[in-house]
Amino acid sequence: AQSVTQLGSHVSVSEGALVLLRCNYSSSVPPYLFWYVQYPNQGLQLLLKYTSAATLVKGINGFEAEFKKSETSFHLTKPSAHMSDAAEYFCAVARSSGNTPLVFGKGTRLSVIA
Amino acid sequence: DAGVIQSPRHEVTEMGQEVTLRCKPISGHDYLFWYRQTMMRGLELLIYFNNNVPIDDSGMPEDRFSAKMPNASFSTLKIQPSEPRDSAVYFCASSWGRGGYNEQFFGPGTRLTVL
Repeated sequence: AQSVTQLGSHVSVSEGALVLLRCNYSSSVPPYLFWYVQYPNQGLQLLLKYTSAATLVKGINGFEAEFKKSETSFHLTKPSAHMSDAAEYFCAVARSSGNTPLVFGKGTRLSVIA
Repeated sequence: DAGVIQSPRHEVTEMGQEVTLRCKPISGHDYLFWYRQTMMRGLELLIYFNNNVPIDDSGMPEDRFSAKMPNASFSTLKIQPSEPRDSAVYFCASSWGRGGYNEQFFGPGTRLTVL
């Protein structure tokens, strides 16, 4: 079975500081990995996804994530936080083969301090 | 495209009442997913459909919950009778393909409060 673990339910950074949100996955087959963002009172929207092409994936709003098989990680980063980045971020995993849908992590709430 | 449409956006009801949540997926998408989000349990997959057929309902918490998809453009999630512990935000999502490769598009959610 696949799963993801997001380290830290709440992360707080200063505006302009580096954003690092951690995600580790468990999968018995090569995974597809995703980051979704949820702004207040909205549904989730896709930030970026890894589907076995380049290990460094660039997404929207300046975010990127790197797939590291040796560390079973897919951490999300952004060099400089903006106030508008305050949201809930979800990591998710899916099998690259087979019939299972996405499995989401518990989420990490990002706060940005002015 | 208008995206995934859910109604109502907010629902307040009393314990024991029947609640029906509605979803219109994006046209052309063949998968539809129902999720529940709470502070305690996070985002849980309740059930998903492929071409209007339920594929996996193992996430449905109990028999009080039921979901239908009578056609490609409409799905309902029904709770009868409702209980206070059902209070949550319910999301519908759709995708072309299972979501393993293709993006799932989420609706804005229905915030359900059961008093």
